Amino acid sequence: SQTIHQWPATLVQPVGSPLSLECTVEGTSNPNLYWYRQAAGRGLQLLFYSVGIGQISSEVPQNLSASRPQDRQFILSSKKLLLSDSGFYLCAWGGQQGSETQYFGPGTRLLVL
Amino acid sequence: GQNIDQPTEMTATEGAIVQINCTYQTSGFNGLFWYQQHAGEAPTFLSYNVLDGLEEKGRFSSFLSRSKGYSYLLLKELQMKDSASYLCAVRDSNYQLIWGAGTKLIIKP
Repeated sequence: SQTIHQWPATLVQPVGSPLSLECTVEGTSNPNLYWYRQAAGRGLQLLFYSVGIGQISSEVPQNLSASRPQDRQFILSSKKLLLSDSGFYLCAWGGQQGSETQYFGPGTRLLVL
Repeated sequence: GQNIDQPTEMTATEGAIVQINCTYQTSGFNGLFWYQQHAGEAPTFLSYNVLDGLEEKGRFSSFLSRSKGYSYLLLKELQMKDSASYLCAVRDSNYQLIWGAGTKLIIKP
């Protein structure tokens, strides 16, 4: 069966510091991978998605970036965090057809102070 | 623009039935999803509708009317553990999910 991991679970970072969140998927090959952010009381906002190694599509212009160095690894980064980057970051995977259900990792709660 | 509307919050009694509505306006339609999200946790998949009609899964059912841009999630025999947020999402013509803000369901004994 497929599993998806994210770490860390929680993170408190000062404004201006860098960020690296990691997501890995097991039990599937060549998945579509997604990074979402969820602010309190808001819907999920798609940040990035990837259909393959090195292929990243950005949905929202911001100070975040994403990379996919391996088939089942997806990394979300920032060089300098802003207060507005605080939120719940969720990684998800879905089938390559694009028509399949997305399944979420446990999430990382980020607080920027 | 694309828009998904759901009530912000609903309250129901343990053992009762509750219906959570979702209306949508999107550029294209390739299916509608319902997810459950407990506080502080990730969303978990509940149901998927792509054709009009009712899909039943145990205590949970989901209905879709594409012509009306409308769906509902029906929860029967409510249990305290059903207290959670319920997220409606529509897959658009680009096969991306557009998400509603979620409905917080409070179950009272």
